[in-house]
Amino acid sequence: ETGVTQSPTHLIKTRGQQVTLRCSSQSGHNTVSWYQQALGQGPQFIFQYYREEENGRGNFPPRFSGLQFPNYSSELNVNALELDDSALYLCASSLPGTFSEQYFGPGTRLTVT
Amino acid sequence: GIQVEQSPPDLILQEGANSTLRCNFSDSVNNLQWFHQNPWGQLINLFYIPSGTKQNGRLSATTVATERYSLLYISSSQTTDSGVYFCAVPTSRGSTLGRLYFGRGTQLTVWP
Repeated sequence: ETGVTQSPTHLIKTRGQQVTLRCSSQSGHNTVSWYQQALGQGPQFIFQYYREEENGRGNFPPRFSGLQFPNYSSELNVNALELDDSALYLCASSLPGTFSEQYFGPGTRLTVT
Repeated sequence: GIQVEQSPPDLILQEGANSTLRCNFSDSVNNLQWFHQNPWGQLINLFYIPSGTKQNGRLSATTVATERYSLLYISSSQTTDSGVYFCAVPTSRGSTLGRLYFGRGTQLTVWP
């Protein structure tokens, strides 16, 4: 059984640029959630994808967008990068529903200069 | 949203000591997860524990859902236990399925 994978591991971008982060879900899981973790904080929910549609969104602006593909993998896109977007981005896969255990990938560390 | 509070924020132990980490949450929930974040940032699943007690080696967890808290016990701590421990609960209402609310974590440092 393959776990959750994310790419790239690290990324450095300049303010104003755009970035795409990728996540492959664990085998058998059809729901992907994205979280942002700033230094010293707990992860904050960005959004969740189920059946290739956004299923819920946290308090993040529209320049954070995503996609889910038929194989359940997902992308997180961030436009017009700001310095405060520097963080660890985590994706989690699960089955749908509030009873489902979520499993996290190793994360992508984004630095915006 | 649901408020999740963890205590203590920091814990420093000598190897071999025991510890208890606490997680309080503000609303009734369908499940609760405990994670250990390793130095590289990955969240490692420790327990999925909506209620009751579970044990896994030197670690155990208890959730009392009716009183809205969970405890994580670490016995005979080792230096490899160091890191940040998070608890997280999902929203139980609304259209967002399975969104997790995290506490701010407990930073555990175990000295040899």
